[in-house]
Amino acid sequence: RKEVEQDPGPFNVPEGATVAFNCTYSNSASQSFFWYRQDCRKEPKLLMSVYSSGNEDGRFTAQLNRASQYISLLIRDSKLSDSATYLCVVPSRDTGFQKLVFGTGTRLLVSP
Amino acid sequence: NAGVTQTPKFQVLKTGQSMTLQCAQDMNHEYMSWYRQDPGMGLRLIHYSVGAGITDQGEVPNGYNVSRSTTEDFPLRLLSAAPSQTSVYFCASSPTGWGYTFGSGTRLTVV
Repeated sequence: RKEVEQDPGPFNVPEGATVAFNCTYSNSASQSFFWYRQDCRKEPKLLMSVYSSGNEDGRFTAQLNRASQYISLLIRDSKLSDSATYLCVVPSRDTGFQKLVFGTGTRLLVSP
Repeated sequence: NAGVTQTPKFQVLKTGQSMTLQCAQDMNHEYMSWYRQDPGMGLRLIHYSVGAGITDQGEVPNGYNVSRSTTEDFPLRLLSAAPSQTSVYFCASSPTGWGYTFGSGTRLTVV
């Protein structure tokens, strides 16, 4: 099993829709998690950090389910500008938080 | 603040050539890392550093060397380029080892 797994998508949604992505992880000892956003041919940018059960920032909500070992990202009222790839990131089991394991990303396409 | 600056943005190398990818940050971050990103794969850690003078290997270190003589700079050296090293390389820094700021990347092609 991969350390971090994501559905690659693409998720095609209309503007204004609510969309959710899941990310599963294998390291049950992980305490913190991150969502990064990556636009086409650009660098990843930190979107949200998740340290406990969840985190909310405007239209974005990240939730953590430790029992089932998955993290979700919910985007409400989708905008065209939300079109991007969303990367789930989990600290490595071996050496601590400095080594981050990236998922392959979920691509979101928001259409007019 | 310029953030994390990577140079060059694009590079074409011949097999067997060596080169250095430059990375500099002006945020006084202790933690710095190098990743490569290939299609269909997540970013993979090449080398990382937790402070000046301290470096360690990541997931895919073979064929690469790093050094960290100052807090600001973390160059990545390709010793003898191979086509398998064709990739997009990202440098990243963090004050705490949690959320990282990434540079804009170097697109490297080895022919």
